[in-house]
Amino acid sequence: EDQVTQSPEALRLQEGESSSLNCSYTVSGLRGLFWYRQDPGKGPEFLFTLYSAGEEKEKERLKATLTKKESFLHITAPKPEDSATYLCAVDDRGSTLGRLYFGRGTQLTVWP
Amino acid sequence: GAVVSQHPSRVICKSGTSVKIECRSLDFQATTMFWYRQFPKQSLMLMATSNEGSKATYEQGVEKDKFLINHASLTLSTLTVTSAHPEDSSFYICSANRDRKLTEAFFGQGTRLTVV
Repeated sequence: EDQVTQSPEALRLQEGESSSLNCSYTVSGLRGLFWYRQDPGKGPEFLFTLYSAGEEKEKERLKATLTKKESFLHITAPKPEDSATYLCAVDDRGSTLGRLYFGRGTQLTVWP
Repeated sequence: GAVVSQHPSRVICKSGTSVKIECRSLDFQATTMFWYRQFPKQSLMLMATSNEGSKATYEQGVEKDKFLINHASLTLSTLTVTSAHPEDSSFYICSANRDRKLTEAFFGQGTRLTVV
């Protein structure tokens, strides 16, 4: 059973059209939830870590939020350069520190 | 931020040969590094956990004799794909934690392996 499920699989937005990406997770105990950005042919680029329900973090047009069952990545007024695959991952207290379980990602395309 | 460097970024090899991929933490020491594999439009799947000075821990279904991992120093882990076959073609990515207490992992650039 997948520990991390991301939706939608793909999302197309017009420049300036805000939206949210979802990440639902199942863990024995959450050590941390991560959001990464991945461009084609590249390794994941770290965006945020969230540790506890209610926590929020922002970076430019991105804002990540966390509840006990899911996380959202809100994208405000996106630009074409925000086009990428966004990955969600969790570090489960039942596993080795740093061992991440990834979702399949949401492929975001922002068109002008 | 912390930097993890992976080399090479792309490699093409003939079936039956071996390929070595390096993962280096450039500005911190990492006692643990992780090796993932990613197929097109799929999630990153953990292959093994590389521990400095000891044997790697492999995930279920990953052949330890085929994917040799060596973590000889606090800044370098290597993954050797032995007797490569076309089905081993994939995107291999390493990660490392900067701090033993923190769970933030930083990733290398990835290595695209094509076996012909």
